[in-house]
Amino acid sequence: NAGVTQTPKFRILKIGQSMTLQCAQDMNHNYMYWYRQDPGMGLKLIYYSVGAGITDKGEVPNGYNVSRSTTEDFPLRLELAAPSQTSVYFCASSYTGGTYNEQFFGPGTRLTVL
Amino acid sequence: DQQVKQNSPSLSVQEGRISILNCDYTNSMFDYFLWYKKYPAEGPTFLISISSIKDKNEDGRFTVFLNKSAKHLSLHIVPSQPGDSAVYFCAASERRSSGTYKYIFGTGTRLKVLA
Repeated sequence: NAGVTQTPKFRILKIGQSMTLQCAQDMNHNYMYWYRQDPGMGLKLIYYSVGAGITDKGEVPNGYNVSRSTTEDFPLRLELAAPSQTSVYFCASSYTGGTYNEQFFGPGTRLTVL
Repeated sequence: DQQVKQNSPSLSVQEGRISILNCDYTNSMFDYFLWYKKYPAEGPTFLISISSIKDKNEDGRFTVFLNKSAKHLSLHIVPSQPGDSAVYFCAASERRSSGTYKYIFGTGTRLKVLA
C-alpha cells in the first residue's frame, strides 16, 4: 500500500494563478481531509469529505474548492492564489468519521505564493 | 481561540532520560485525544491515543496521561532515543452537529533528544 500520496511536493505560484493539489489514497477509506499548516501553528482543516460526491467545509475554506468523484481521489483547487495561502498542505484519510478515527496523512505539499 | 494548546514550542532531553510533552485544552466536550509525531518533510503519523474515560494509556516507551479535571494531558517517552526527535502534535476530537468528528490540533512541540 502506498497509503496517502500527494503531488506536487513543492510549488511556487504567482498571485492570481490557480492550481490543483492532488491527493490519492489506496486504503479504501471513506473519509478524506485537507489541512494547512502555517509556521508555528497547528493543522487547520480546510475541507473534508465523508464519501464520493460528498464534501463539506472545515475551519478555513475560503479561497479553496474540492471535489470527490471517486473514493480514492480528493483534489484541492486554489482559484486565485494569494500570499496568505502560502503554507504546507496535508491531505489525510480515515476509515471512519467517528471518535476513534485515526487519520493517515500524506507527506505534504509546500506552496509559496509570491 | 486556541482550544488545544501546547505551550512549549521546543524541548531538549538527553538520550535515555524521560521526555514529557504537555497539552492543555479548554473544551470539556472533547472525548478522545491523540498524539501525532512528525518528521521533517513528512506528514504526521499517529503515535498514541486515549479516551476520555481513561486516565492512562501505555504503548511500549510511550504513555499518555489524561487529567480531565485540569483539562491536561501529557505524553511521556521513556527512555528517550535520538530517533524520537520530531515535532509532536496533540489533537482532541470534537463531535460535529452532523455526527462525525473532527480533530483540533495543537501547535506542536519540537523534541530534540541529545545523544
